[in-house]
Amino acid sequence: NAGVTQTPKFQVLKTGQSMTLQCAQDMNHEYMSWYRQDPGMGLRLIHYSVGAGITDQGEVPNGYNVSRSTTEDFPLRLLSAAPSQTSVYFCASHPGLGGDEQFFGPGTRLTVL
Amino acid sequence: LAKTTQPISMDSYEGQEVNITCSHNNIATNDYITWYQQFPSQGPRFIIQGYKTKVTNEVASLFIPADRKSSTLSLPRVSLSDTAVYYCLVAGGANDYKLSFGAGTTVTVRA
Repeated sequence: NAGVTQTPKFQVLKTGQSMTLQCAQDMNHEYMSWYRQDPGMGLRLIHYSVGAGITDQGEVPNGYNVSRSTTEDFPLRLLSAAPSQTSVYFCASHPGLGGDEQFFGPGTRLTVL
Repeated sequence: LAKTTQPISMDSYEGQEVNITCSHNNIATNDYITWYQQFPSQGPRFIIQGYKTKVTNEVASLFIPADRKSSTLSLPRVSLSDTAVYYCLVAGGANDYKLSFGAGTTVTVRA
């Protein structure tokens, strides 16, 4: 089991560019989510999914889009990158709601110039 | 979603026990208390979860008093490799999915 994988590990964008952060899990979990972590801060929820075809907004959704066409994959799209989106992005999956254990990927470090 | 409060940082020395207390005054009946550990440049990792009283695993113990308005994560005999950020989360309801991690507690273990 690879668990949760994320690509790329590092990315530098220019303001206004778009890109997609990839996330995949092989644990057959229904629930997946995207977080961002800014320096010295905790993780803030961007978007989440409760199953294929079902997504919803988290705490900081502006500037990001998601879709969930399969159980395994949950890509995060930056529509028009801004310096304020410079952050480390973590994808997580878990089998259930609320307090269930979340399994995190290794993260993508994004810099927007 | 119950709000949690935990210390920003704690210092310790190798071999000592570290206790981190998390306050969650508005915890709901169906909420569980979960602790995660995060090393630099890695995603958080689940440590332990409990509902009431005491839970122990190979990594830590979790103490929860009867009123459940706080919880204490205990790390026995810490080593340098326990230096990390520790997050306390309270959640559990069927609609309780929008989880966000607070700033956590940065534990620094010194030789």
